Amino acid sequence: GNSVTQMEGPVTLSEEAFLTINCTYTATGYPSLFWYVQYPGEGLQLLLKATKADDKGSNKGFEATYRKETTSFHLEKGSVQVSDSAVYFCALTQHSNSGYALNFGKGTSLLVTP
Amino acid sequence: DSGVTQTPKHLITATGQRVTLRCSPRSGDLSVYWYQQSLDQGLQFLIQYYNGEERAKGNILERFSAQQFPDLHSELNLSSLELGDSALYFCASSPGTNRPDTQYFGPGTRLTVL
Repeated sequence: GNSVTQMEGPVTLSEEAFLTINCTYTATGYPSLFWYVQYPGEGLQLLLKATKADDKGSNKGFEATYRKETTSFHLEKGSVQVSDSAVYFCALTQHSNSGYALNFGKGTSLLVTP
Repeated sequence: DSGVTQTPKHLITATGQRVTLRCSPRSGDLSVYWYQQSLDQGLQFLIQYYNGEERAKGNILERFSAQQFPDLHSELNLSSLELGDSALYFCASSPGTNRPDTQYFGPGTRLTVL
């Protein structure tokens, strides 16, 4: 079945450092891929998405490219800020017995220090 | 603000009890998804409704049920509660059903079973 694997956290970075959070997936065909972010005490917010191979999703300085050949959708940001501290979830959706429900990775906690 | 509302924000109850969680989707969205977030299981899909009808089921226990009303709000009913049901419960909404639309999440209901 479909699955998403994210790098284990927590990830701790200094402000202005470069961020990479790895995400790989297992699915047949071409799923749609998403990054959601959960700030402390809040719900999930869509950060970016990509719906086909080689698409690049971007938002708020974050980017991720849909790589079919490596089944990956790594999240990157060139210069993180303290306000980026949150939990980041990689997810995919593809039609299955669960309709188009999202299949999430376990989440990666990011802490950015001043 | 995603436009999805959930009530209550917090719920504390005892084992064996029954609770109802409520979700109002974004204006115009016909699909409602319910997810459970727990420390050990992560984010798991429970059930989806589209325009009043059940469309897909995930890892939902038989003690749990849901419905979507004509005004499109949805309720998740949890009965015979156990300690292990303590979790964050999110609903998400999207416009359609048979396509990989972006899902927009509410702020969640934190359920604590004592």
